[in-house]
Amino acid sequence: DGGITQSPKYLFRKEGQNVTLSCEQNLNHDAMYWYRQDPGQGLRLIYYSQIVNDFQKGDIAEGYSVSREKKESFPLTVTSAQKNPTAFYLCASRQVSPSQPQHFGDGTRLSIL
Amino acid sequence: DQQVKQNSPSLSVQEGRISILNCDYTNSMFDYFLWYKKYPAEGPTFLISISSIKDKNEDGRFTVFLNKSAKHLSLHIVPSQPGDSAVYFCAASAYPTGNTPLVFGKGTRLSVIA
Repeated sequence: DGGITQSPKYLFRKEGQNVTLSCEQNLNHDAMYWYRQDPGQGLRLIYYSQIVNDFQKGDIAEGYSVSREKKESFPLTVTSAQKNPTAFYLCASRQVSPSQPQHFGDGTRLSIL
Repeated sequence: DQQVKQNSPSLSVQEGRISILNCDYTNSMFDYFLWYKKYPAEGPTFLISISSIKDKNEDGRFTVFLNKSAKHLSLHIVPSQPGDSAVYFCAASAYPTGNTPLVFGKGTRLSVIA
């Protein structure tokens, strides 16, 4: 079955550590996205990539980094510079064609110990 | 400044009745609008979309209406079922027809009461 896989489902990080969230898709989609959801908030865009080896900052990119070395993979690193990393992180992908929706993975919940 | 606004954080509806979820936007460049449904601890699921060349799109129990002059869209669910209880997000994208990242509202929590 085609889909978007995010792992792990739950992740714990100590203060001062970097941590990487995985996102893999087998939908052959060109574009991939990372969002963050906080309680009572909508989804806020962290980074996105429309093509391999290229990515752009979203609205809240500070303290995060990404890479897009393969079409199917778009890992997100939460660095120690991110002051409030506890949140629910969602990865999405879409085909870059008119009127194509984004499809989402099931998310990773990151908590600080 | 929020470009997509869902002004009702929550809505309760009786089973079998109509649910109407509203969304307003400010960016006149938006030309593609979507509704997503989200359960706790899961990713959002795409429900229905509409492009700016239309004013209505229907898919089963779900209908989305777009009023471009008012910069307003709404999602109608008829009849509402208990399984529809979830958070609904409105999202929008700009020209050319959705190729810019989606901008999301804060969501409306729908509770359908049996």
